[in-house]
Amino acid sequence: EAQVTQNPRYLITVTGKKLTVTCSQNMNHEYMSWYRQDPGLGLRQIYYSMNVEVTDKGDVPEGYKVSRKEKRNFPLILESPSPNQTSLYFCASSFPTGRGTDTQYFGPGTRLTVL
Amino acid sequence: AQSVTQLGSHVSVSEGALVLLRCNYSSSVPPYLFWYVQYPNQGLQLLLKYTTGATLVKGINGFEAEFKKSETSFHLTKPSAHMSDAAEYFCAVSDWMDSSYKLIFGSGTRLLVRP
Repeated sequence: EAQVTQNPRYLITVTGKKLTVTCSQNMNHEYMSWYRQDPGLGLRQIYYSMNVEVTDKGDVPEGYKVSRKEKRNFPLILESPSPNQTSLYFCASSFPTGRGTDTQYFGPGTRLTVL
Repeated sequence: AQSVTQLGSHVSVSEGALVLLRCNYSSSVPPYLFWYVQYPNQGLQLLLKYTTGATLVKGINGFEAEFKKSETSFHLTKPSAHMSDAAEYFCAVSDWMDSSYKLIFGSGTRLLVRP
């Protein structure tokens, strides 16, 4: 089954404790992206990757890191989480058309709480 | 810069009634527009998208949307609501260039369906 998977689905942590949220897709998509969803704000892009070893900042990158060492995986790293990073996180992937018409496929989400 | 406005954070309809969810966009270039649905505890799923061609777009589960350039709108409709339509709906516009791509989302509309 074609899908985007994220782990963990739920995470409660404390301020400053490094964590990684994994994202994997099995559709051979070149493009991957991370979004965060906050009430009343919709989804906002954190980082994206157009291909392996190519990553760039989205609209809200502060406090996050990513890496793209292989096509299927795109982990999100919080080196020193803070309470304002409490949010619902989504990973997405697509096969880029180069024209902005891609359908992005979303993972099930990771609900992160930072105390 | 592109942006999306969804009027009404909550919309309540009776089962069998018309569903109308409003979306207005701002774009300096011809827009590519999307509607995504998020069921409870799930990721986002594409309902439909407008790229070019026919302005009335049909999607899954009986939903459709009409692109109206003169009104900068892309409202989502369904003639008869079903209990299973209860979810949060997001309108999005594509923001892309040669080396970057993201979806810009509205703040979402939660649809409640009354028995």
